[in-house]
Amino acid sequence: DAGVIQSPRHEVTEMGQEVTLRCKPISGHNSLFWYRQTMMRGLELLIYFNNNVPIDDSGMPEDRFSAKMPNASFSTLKIQPSEPRDSAVYFCASRELNTEAFFGQGTRLTVV
Amino acid sequence: GEDVEQSLFLSVREGDSSVINCTYTDSSSTYLYWYKQEPGAGLQLLTYIFSNMDMKQDQRLTVLLNKKDKHLSLRIADTQTGDSAIYFCAEGLGSGGYNKLIFGAGTRLAVHP
Repeated sequence: DAGVIQSPRHEVTEMGQEVTLRCKPISGHNSLFWYRQTMMRGLELLIYFNNNVPIDDSGMPEDRFSAKMPNASFSTLKIQPSEPRDSAVYFCASRELNTEAFFGQGTRLTVV
Repeated sequence: GEDVEQSLFLSVREGDSSVINCTYTDSSSTYLYWYKQEPGAGLQLLTYIFSNMDMKQDQRLTVLLNKKDKHLSLRIADTQTGDSAIYFCAEGLGSGGYNKLIFGAGTRLAVHP
């Protein structure tokens, strides 16, 4: 397996634009997590899914953020409209029951 | 509540031991993890410990868990320059640690000659 795959690796966008981050988890993993990493806040859990169902989205900062998992092999994190303070590295991770989480390489988002 | 805290920086001399500390708040944690992040990369699992264990050793790594104090530590023996990275501790919450992984802010380890 190629591991957790995220795209794009880098995204630069203008304030107000819509941004969509994508994640393909490892096949067979039934939990998927979205994290955001910044210098100020460290690694924050935004939302996680079990069996494609969102379980806890309490970490999603605002209504501008939304996440979907239409099937077991794909998830998106959307920011609309984007703001400069959304600039961060966004990680997706997946895991099976009671195992370690495997992380993607992250998407570095810059909103100017 | 769910909170994991770590000191932000640690600087050690090459060849010395490094000890990175972590405290957590949720006593229902079943697994506790240590992850390593190298520059420009994602997080990779270093080691983990089940909550009913006190200690786990894996080559140069020793994990100590004090469940009463909710304190976790990672000791790296004979620290090398290649160990320079950010180290995250994380607690697994929910049944068997299944549902959530909560991370600390990470400790940046700098190894100097």
